[in-house]
Amino acid sequence: DAKTTQPTSMDCAEGRAANLPCNHSTISGNEYVYWYRQIHSQGPQYIIHGLKNNETNEMASLIITEDRKSSTLILPHATLRDTAVYYCIVRVPYTGTASKLTFGTGTRLQVTL
Amino acid sequence: GAVVSQHPSWVICKSGTSVKIECRSLDFQATTMFWYRQFPKQSLMLMATSNEGSKATYEQGVEKDKFLINHASLTLSTLTVTSAHPEDSSFYICSASFSQNEQFFGPGTRLTVL
Repeated sequence: DAKTTQPTSMDCAEGRAANLPCNHSTISGNEYVYWYRQIHSQGPQYIIHGLKNNETNEMASLIITEDRKSSTLILPHATLRDTAVYYCIVRVPYTGTASKLTFGTGTRLQVTL
Repeated sequence: GAVVSQHPSWVICKSGTSVKIECRSLDFQATTMFWYRQFPKQSLMLMATSNEGSKATYEQGVEKDKFLINHASLTLSTLTVTSAHPEDSSFYICSASFSQNEQFFGPGTRLTVL
């Protein structure tokens, strides 16, 4: 799986949009971009994933650049409960058996009042 | 849907004893389960991948005789830490997957070895 690079930490004011960047310059054509987050002392939580097009769900939006070498996770209205470590992961698609996830160091997002 | 549970949520044991951690998919059948370990202030490290009914595949550096994994059914996988030592103290997390790309994670088990 391609390696990803994320900032170590970020701060965001509550109610504002949190934009978390991720670089994955060595991504292959068939690899997806996944985002998970981990709130302290809990298991990771799936947020969103995409291949080429921008994606949106009830939790967040994912913007992938046209060359697919980077992406941004957007939490439109951050709340204190969004304080967590956010992991950007690239992985190959499902091929009949589930493929493993390789977690990097992630971005520690601190949402403040 | 797609809920994964772990039991126990935390455990304290004496050095030299064995500890079993259960991972269950509550509302789906998991063809593949993964076991991760996370030390304080570090990221998750994959230990092994197990497919139902077959032997687990261990990541490099993970001792298969020390970390016994059993995936006997589509809803249950167990991780047994044998002859635990203080350096095995960690946060152990499982995840389960079925036919899609997503992995669903359990809440984790905190192991403390005295």
